[in-house]
Amino acid sequence: AQRVTQPEKLLSVFKGAPVELKCNYSYSGSPELFWYVQYSRQRLQLLLRHISRESIKGFTADLNKGETSFHLKKPFAQEEDSAMYYCALAEYGNKLVFGAGTILRVKS
Amino acid sequence: GAVVSQHPSRVICKSGTSVKIECRSLDFQATTMFWYRQFPKQSLMLMATSNEGSKATYEQGVEKDKFLINHASLTLSTLTVTSAHPEDSSFYICSAPGRGQDIQYFGAGTRLSVL
Repeated sequence: AQRVTQPEKLLSVFKGAPVELKCNYSYSGSPELFWYVQYSRQRLQLLLRHISRESIKGFTADLNKGETSFHLKKPFAQEEDSAMYYCALAEYGNKLVFGAGTILRVKS
Repeated sequence: GAVVSQHPSRVICKSGTSVKIECRSLDFQATTMFWYRQFPKQSLMLMATSNEGSKATYEQGVEKDKFLINHASLTLSTLTVTSAHPEDSSFYICSAPGRGQDIQYFGAGTRLSVL
């Protein structure tokens, strides 16, 4: 079965510090991976996807097939980055399998 | 961007009653919508795929007679929790894929509390 693992429930960093939210996956085919974010009292929304290879709000994520990872990184955390982050893998039929989520807290 | 409207945002009901949750795609059509359930401090678990014009596809372990899904039009899917019990209390979220089909747009969720 396809699985997405986010090992950290909570990641707390100081403003300006680098951030890395870990995500590992297991998938038998060629994976499509996403990071979704949920800010306080807002709905879940797409942050970025691996096929676009773009940087959104300073975040990047590189798909590493050898390590089956899709870690989310940002060199300098900002307070407004505080949110719940979900790594997700798309199965056939556009179904998403979500990781458990990581709460990012950026302290001033 | 595409918007998915979910209604109601909060519902409290008595045990044994049925509750209907609506999910609408605004300004775009969705032949497929997805229904998720989220327990406190846990991830989203896919319950079922709602298909316009055909039966919903349920994930393993989800009772289709308990969670009735109707995809009445290209912009509306409904989830009815029948004969709700306290263990059905949860946060229910719907999503619909956008034009490119690979990006999901999520509703704001419905908090169901069954007394």
